[in-house]
Amino acid sequence: AQTVTQSQPEMSVQEAETVTLSCTYDTSENNYYLFWYKQPPSRQMILVIRQEAYKQQNATENRFSVNFQKAAKSFSLKISDSQLGDTAMYFCAFPPLSGNEKLTFGTGTRLTIIP
Amino acid sequence: GAVVSQHPSWVICKSGTSVKIECRSLDFQATTMFWYRQFPKQSLMLMATSNEGSKATYEQGVEKDKFLINHASLTLSTLTVTSAHPEDSSFYICSARGSRGNYGYTFGSGTRLTVV
Repeated sequence: AQTVTQSQPEMSVQEAETVTLSCTYDTSENNYYLFWYKQPPSRQMILVIRQEAYKQQNATENRFSVNFQKAAKSFSLKISDSQLGDTAMYFCAFPPLSGNEKLTFGTGTRLTIIP
Repeated sequence: GAVVSQHPSWVICKSGTSVKIECRSLDFQATTMFWYRQFPKQSLMLMATSNEGSKATYEQGVEKDKFLINHASLTLSTLTVTSAHPEDSSFYICSARGSRGNYGYTFGSGTRLTVV
């Protein structure tokens, strides 16, 4: 079975600082995608960033970047120059490219940006 | 970008009644729809997966007769909570996937169900 582990239930950081959220996973698949989703208080799920497992280059989206270590099955999210609007729950998730491709979510990290 | 419209955003119903939640893909064809349930401060728990025109596949422990899923068209999927009870109160979210070449998951805005 596939599992996703987020070991940091809660984190807080001062505005403008950098924070890293960790995620580890376990799968027997070789090809897959990895996602980080943000869920603000509105509870709308928002895609933050996506990584394709066959790509060695780490994905970057503006202030958000990932550190993808395939051999270690690690997929951390770095938020630079954090802003108040980054306050949210963050979920790591991945689907296999085979089967019904359902997402497996981690337990989430509640991130609070302190003004 | 891809948009999924989910309605209602919140609903209060009496115990024993049924409630229908709709998810519509507005600008793409949703070949697969996923339905999730989320308890406060917890992660999303997959309830079922449905493909257009096929019967839904339910996760272990999810009652098929209580949570009826219909995916009759490529733009509409519905979740009906039948004979609702207070323990069914939760936040329900749908997520749609398009056809090959559009590898993304688009989420609805969620429905907060309260059964009194």
